[in-house]
Amino acid sequence: AQKVTQAQTEISVVEKEDVTLDCVYETRDTTYYLFWYKQPPSGELVFLIRRNSFDEQNEISGRYSWNFQKSTSSFNFTITASQVVDSAVYFCALSEAWGGATNKLIFGTGTLLAVQP
Amino acid sequence: DADVTQTPRNRITKTGKRIMLECSQTKGHDRMYWYRQDPGLGLRLIYYSFDVKDINKGEISDGYSVSRQAQAKFSLSLESAIPNQTALYFCATSDPSRAWAYNEQFFGPGTRLTVL
Repeated sequence: AQKVTQAQTEISVVEKEDVTLDCVYETRDTTYYLFWYKQPPSGELVFLIRRNSFDEQNEISGRYSWNFQKSTSSFNFTITASQVVDSAVYFCALSEAWGGATNKLIFGTGTLLAVQP
Repeated sequence: DADVTQTPRNRITKTGKRIMLECSQTKGHDRMYWYRQDPGLGLRLIYYSFDVKDINKGEISDGYSVSRQAQAKFSLSLESAIPNQTALYFCATSDPSRAWAYNEQFFGPGTRLTVL
């Protein structure tokens, strides 16, 4: 069965601190996709990144970076020099691969990040 | 204009009432999904549809029904609303022709439903 675990329910940091959000996944598929979404207080879901299981390269986008490690089934998300605007709920999600698949997303329970000024 | 729209954005209703949440998309995607978000539980899949004639139950379909009126429209109904159906509901779409490369779902803005 597929499962995504975000063990950190809430994290509070002070502005300019670095913060890492953890994501651990379970799947028996050899091909799969991992995602991060941001949900600001306004409620919409904002897509941040997609990674397929064949690509273990880490990625950096501005202050955001992602560390994908298949050996530990983790896909962690780091925000460098956090800002108040980063305050949101962050979801990690897993999707099975194409090939008759449903493309349905399995979400973690989310991590609420509060960045204090 | 938004590619995936949901109406209403907010709704308060009473126990026992029938309510319909609507989703429309202009992305031309065949696949559409309904998710429910509860605090501390993330998003869970209610129903999904591969095309107008193909509708499937997700993990929490009890108490819900859906209708795929056209490729662009996918409605979620609560036949007799109950308070524990109070949640944030999201519609999403995906394009299977791009699934191998992208496998991405595009979400609507959400409908906040309160059942009193």
